Amino acid sequence: GESVGLHLPTLSVQEGDNSIINCAYSNSASDYFIWYKQESGKGPQFIIDIRSNMDKRQGQRVTVLLNKTVKHLSLQIAATQPGDSAVYFCAEIKNSGYALNFGKGTSLLVTP
Amino acid sequence: GAVVSQHPSWVICKSGTSVKIECRSLDFQATTMFWYRQFPKQSLMLMATSNEGSKATYEQGVEKDKFLINHASLTLSTLTVTSAHPEDSSFYICSARGQGTQYFGPGTRLTVL
Repeated sequence: GESVGLHLPTLSVQEGDNSIINCAYSNSASDYFIWYKQESGKGPQFIIDIRSNMDKRQGQRVTVLLNKTVKHLSLQIAATQPGDSAVYFCAEIKNSGYALNFGKGTSLLVTP
Repeated sequence: GAVVSQHPSWVICKSGTSVKIECRSLDFQATTMFWYRQFPKQSLMLMATSNEGSKATYEQGVEKDKFLINHASLTLSTLTVTSAHPEDSSFYICSARGQGTQYFGPGTRLTVL
């Protein structure tokens, strides 16, 4: 079935560098995407979202880019900090009831 | 704002017993809540959609008689794992829809011995 997937399962970056986490989706009808951060043993934490009528959205130190042509989503984290170490999930709206379909997740490890 | 709580945060039970997990939206009303299950090093999988005042909608492969969901008020949904077995051991996470997006609870770690 249609699903949201991630290119890389793990990503290791040095503190201060920029991080880019990628996500591919297959449902061309998807119109809302969210990035979540999940620390070990905790629930997902909302980071940033984007609607399909946008190509880019910026938050504090984070930017989400949406390329509808190739059905690709990315999360950019500027000046990555040790506290950014976590698993990052992209998610898309699963149905009209607003349930979410999650990707596999990318584990981000920030080294000093 | 937009805080979702879960209780308990962790529970250990014997095989064959039932366990109830509560999900509360603390500072907003949620007509729709969702229950997810997450196995170690895996993604979240939607189990069911809980609508206030009506029956829950279960995802394919999720047994409704085993995972009982009740959404009796706009701020509370409960998930009861009936006759729990070791394979039900997992991290159960709820979310509530509010302010145009979903907010997640901290999760409940269930271990069935």
